Amino acid sequence: QKEVEQNSGPLSVPEGAIASLNCTYSDRGSQSFFWYRQYSGKSPELIMSIYSNGDKEDGRFTAQLNKASQYVSLLIRDSQPSDSATYLCAPLGNTGKLIFGQGTTLQVKP
Amino acid sequence: GAGVSQSPRYKVAKRGQDVALRCDPISGHVSLFWYQQALGQGPEFLTYFQNEAQLDKSGLPSDRFFAERPEGSVSTLKIQRTQQEDSAVYLCASSLTGGGADTQYFGPGTRLTVL
Repeated sequence: QKEVEQNSGPLSVPEGAIASLNCTYSDRGSQSFFWYRQYSGKSPELIMSIYSNGDKEDGRFTAQLNKASQYVSLLIRDSQPSDSATYLCAPLGNTGKLIFGQGTTLQVKP
Repeated sequence: GAGVSQSPRYKVAKRGQDVALRCDPISGHVSLFWYQQALGQGPEFLTYFQNEAQLDKSGLPSDRFFAERPEGSVSTLKIQRTQQEDSAVYLCASSLTGGGADTQYFGPGTRLTVL
């Protein structure tokens, strides 16, 4: 079992729709979780961080965390073509390293 | 100020050659991480420095990989006797403090191709 599991996609949504990206992780000790966005050929950039169970909203993005289920998700409202990218889920491991999933590719169609 | 920079951006090596990849973190950042990203995969952790101390090298795939940060700023990742499976993008990231949940800022990466 991989430490972090994400559906590789591609996930295709029409412009203006809600995109839902999911992630499960195996380490019950993980306390901090990050979502990074990576455009093709570029480096990852931080979208959201979440540390407590529940929802955290930032503009069009909402991160959701359920530690009991070892599940974290990212919702993107009013999806735009510029949101088309790979989204990487990353729990924080020991010594501060990020443990990345393989990423979900999102395609937003105009 | 400037972000994380890496050089070279692209490196082509013949199998068996040694390569050195450089990372300049954001000025004042204590923590520095190296990750390896194969095509179509997420980045995988290689090693972590807090200032000049290498606190975690559990992700280095073999003893051909060596990293250093002698003065607590610039870091070099060295790969000896490169193999085709070493072909990947090598990402460097830095964060302000040590070992916590600070944002890690990534450099543009070095794409290594081993022929």
